[in-house]
Amino acid sequence: GAVVSQHPSRVICKSGTSVKIECRSLDFQATTMFWYRQFPKQSLMLMATSNEGSKATYEQGVEKDKFLINHASLTLSTLTVTSAHPEDSSFYICSASFQGLGTEAFFGQGTRLTVV
Amino acid sequence: AQSVTQPDIHITVSEGASLELRCNYSYGATPYLFWYVQSPGQGLQLLLKYFSGDTLVQGIKGFEAEFKRSQSSFNLRKPSVHWSDAAEYFCAVNGANNLFFGTGTRLTVIP
Repeated sequence: GAVVSQHPSRVICKSGTSVKIECRSLDFQATTMFWYRQFPKQSLMLMATSNEGSKATYEQGVEKDKFLINHASLTLSTLTVTSAHPEDSSFYICSASFQGLGTEAFFGQGTRLTVV
Repeated sequence: AQSVTQPDIHITVSEGASLELRCNYSYGATPYLFWYVQSPGQGLQLLLKYFSGDTLVQGIKGFEAEFKRSQSSFNLRKPSVHWSDAAEYFCAVNGANNLFFGTGTRLTVIP
């Protein structure tokens, strides 16, 4: 099956700094990538959807200036958490699909972000 | 609007016993349905999916699910649970351009 690699798997950063998380589709071209946030013992909350070469579409309540998403190529999307605060600590998961609408999405391994 | 309900937050079964995890969805059109499994601190692994055709879908690790349109359900089943099946299970429905997830069911397997 298709492989999505997410990096880093764990990161600890200081409050006020920015952190970049990468999501790569290793063996297919991902026309659409999704970023999710998962709170402890809860489901995945979709943060934003990005299509290669265009601006991301953010879900209601997600601050686009805080969570910067870039999908510059068909194999790479990045999520940058800017000016991180402890409340941003969470598990972030990306997924990618190569047709977007109505097809399977493949998930990365997730990134555990801890802001101290 | 799309939504997914997993009514069981936590289920405990004995190893070797059968398992059924419930999932109900709300979607205006024919849904694409998925079951994912998540081990602690890990991403999601697809167990199986339903797009069309046979309503009984076979997946990996011995799991199967049955799509019942009349009940808006897509329950996951396994005839004999193994200790390694302990994990969090998510049902999802594909909306216009993204996946909507249920709140998940945590499965505990006891010896």
